[in-house]
Amino acid sequence: NAGVTQTPKFQVLKTGQSMTLQCAQDMNHEYMSWYRQDPGMGLRLIHYSVGAGITDQGEVPNGYNVSRSTTEDFPLRLLSAAPSQTSVYFCASSSKGQMNTGELFFGEGSRLTVL
Amino acid sequence: GDSVTQMEGPVTLSEEAFLTINCTYTATGYPSLFWYVQYPGEGLQLLLKATKADDKGSNKGFEATYRKETTSFHLEKGSVQVSDSAVYFCALIGGSNYKLTFGKGTLLTVNP
Repeated sequence: NAGVTQTPKFQVLKTGQSMTLQCAQDMNHEYMSWYRQDPGMGLRLIHYSVGAGITDQGEVPNGYNVSRSTTEDFPLRLLSAAPSQTSVYFCASSSKGQMNTGELFFGEGSRLTVL
Repeated sequence: GDSVTQMEGPVTLSEEAFLTINCTYTATGYPSLFWYVQYPGEGLQLLLKATKADDKGSNKGFEATYRKETTSFHLEKGSVQVSDSAVYFCALIGGSNYKLTFGKGTLLTVNP
């Protein structure tokens, strides 16, 4: 089972460049989300989706866009990268029932550096 | 809003030592509480959970009890192993939203 797959695992960008972090899950989960992990800050929610066509903002949404055209995919777009977006990004998914009990399934992370 | 405060690390122990990582929370209503673990180079995975007051979550020798009176959910293990070296996150989900709130994480290193 693939679970939650994130690509790329590593990326270096220059300030102002754009890119998309890909996230795909093969568990037919309704809920998908993006977190960023920074030293001393824990994980902070960027955006989340409770189903295809439905997205909402989390704690730190500025500078990021998302869309959910299919159940499987939830890409995270950086339109104009800034050094403050240097971080490790995690995609996580869950079924509605599991989300009610807080069980998220995480990808392995994507390390982004913005120069 | 909801928040989680956990013991700052890093924590360094010798193998077979007793482990406690403190976690306290602030939340409206009756949250469910969790400990997640992140092994080096991996994503987070659920370690244990408790969904109501006085519940004890347990897994892989780790335990945590949901204490509503002290708003705490401390993680304990009686005898740690080198393989327990990881970052541990306390988390909660409150109400009917879909947002998991995490603490800042505690790095545990266990030496042989």
